[in-house]
Amino acid sequence: RKEVEQDPGPFNVPEGATVAFNCTYSNSASQSFFWYRQDCRKEPKLLMSVYSSGNEDGRFTAQLNRASQYISLLIRDSKLSDSATYLCVVNWGIQGAQKLVFGQGTRLTINP
Amino acid sequence: DTGVSQDPRHKITKRGQNVTFRCDPISEHNRLYWYRQTLGQGPEFLTYFQNEAQLEKSRLLSDRFSAERPKGSFSTLEIQRTEQGDSAMYLCASSFFWAPGEQYFGPGTRLTVT
Repeated sequence: RKEVEQDPGPFNVPEGATVAFNCTYSNSASQSFFWYRQDCRKEPKLLMSVYSSGNEDGRFTAQLNRASQYISLLIRDSKLSDSATYLCVVNWGIQGAQKLVFGQGTRLTINP
Repeated sequence: DTGVSQDPRHKITKRGQNVTFRCDPISEHNRLYWYRQTLGQGPEFLTYFQNEAQLEKSRLLSDRFSAERPKGSFSTLEIQRTEQGDSAMYLCASSFFWAPGEQYFGPGTRLTVT
């Protein structure tokens, strides 16, 4: 089983649609979770952290289900500029000896 | 520009040659990370430093790979006796030690081994 697993897509949705991505992780001891965004031929950039209670940042909502080891990202009212690859990221390991484990990414294209 | 920088941006080398990449992190950051990314995959962790100490190395990092951060500032990643399978994008990132999930990535060095 992969450490962090995502549906690679691609997802093609019309502008204004709502789209959701899911991610599962295998290490039940993981403590922190993130979504990164990577534009074509660019470096990854942090989109948002994922908190246990769920959190929202504008049109983006992240949810965490520790029991199911599942993370989600919801994008509402999608814009053309949301087209990118979305990487699910899990912080792996004990305090002081940590690394980030990235999923393979889900590619999203927003169509006009 | 105070972001993470990497040099060179592209490197083409013949199999068996040695290559060295440089990363300059954000100056206030004490953690520095190296990743490798191939097409259609997310970045794979290679190693990380806190200041000048190398704290963790991935099993992916064979003995042909070595990384240093001698003064706790810039870092180098060397690959000896390159193989075609080493062709990838090598990404560097940095962060504060108290926020290891909030990493800032450089533009990467694309390595092609012919």
